[in-house]
Amino acid sequence: GAGVSQSPRYKVAKRGQDVALRCDPISGHVSLFWYQQALGQGPEFLTYFQNEAQLDKSGLPSDRFFAERPEGSVSTLKIQRTQQEDSAVYLCASSPGESYNEQFFGPGTRLTVL
Amino acid sequence: SQKIEQNSEALNIQEGKTATLTCNYTNYSPAYLQWYRQDPGRGPVFLLLIRENEKEKRKERLKVTFDTTLKQSLFHITASQPADSATYLCAPLDSNDYKLSFGAGTTVTVRA
Repeated sequence: GAGVSQSPRYKVAKRGQDVALRCDPISGHVSLFWYQQALGQGPEFLTYFQNEAQLDKSGLPSDRFFAERPEGSVSTLKIQRTQQEDSAVYLCASSPGESYNEQFFGPGTRLTVL
Repeated sequence: SQKIEQNSEALNIQEGKTATLTCNYTNYSPAYLQWYRQDPGRGPVFLLLIRENEKEKRKERLKVTFDTTLKQSLFHITASQPADSATYLCAPLDSNDYKLSFGAGTTVTVRA
């Protein structure tokens, strides 16, 4: 595809439900990132993959958050037992590889937990 | 702790004028600094990267400066147009950084 895609674009969940957010990065991009963006704030780092290896998960706010990228391409961010404070936009980004390279962001998934 | 501060208030300017946005950082020694643009409902889009040994970088109507002594980057939009209306985010990176840490962003509105 031409860019990073994410699905669904919008997700409404009842508190306590599990959700799964999908990211399709640009083909061939080695690095994949997940960020969380609260209203009026800049994106905050959640986790980083290099190919299928999750090298950094220091930004995941709790053990209810889990991310995977099993074949080094598509990634899924899963949130278990969602809470209201999980409501945010979840952004995925990919980059070709070098650490300081620009990152290409998807449109995000807006999660609302009721 | 590390901190990134951008203009605390939104910027409203007349078409044709220059918008100047500020990015101040503390407890970083960035080797690079990136600027992104974000439109409502969309992900950030990369605009420019400036390295610590570059004082200034230009791209079309955009100009970025980087002062490692002041710990500040300035982002200028010259001859602004309504299409430049967006939120602009800065992200300083240390030399081994791979993850981006953003300021809260500055929202620019250009009036026709």
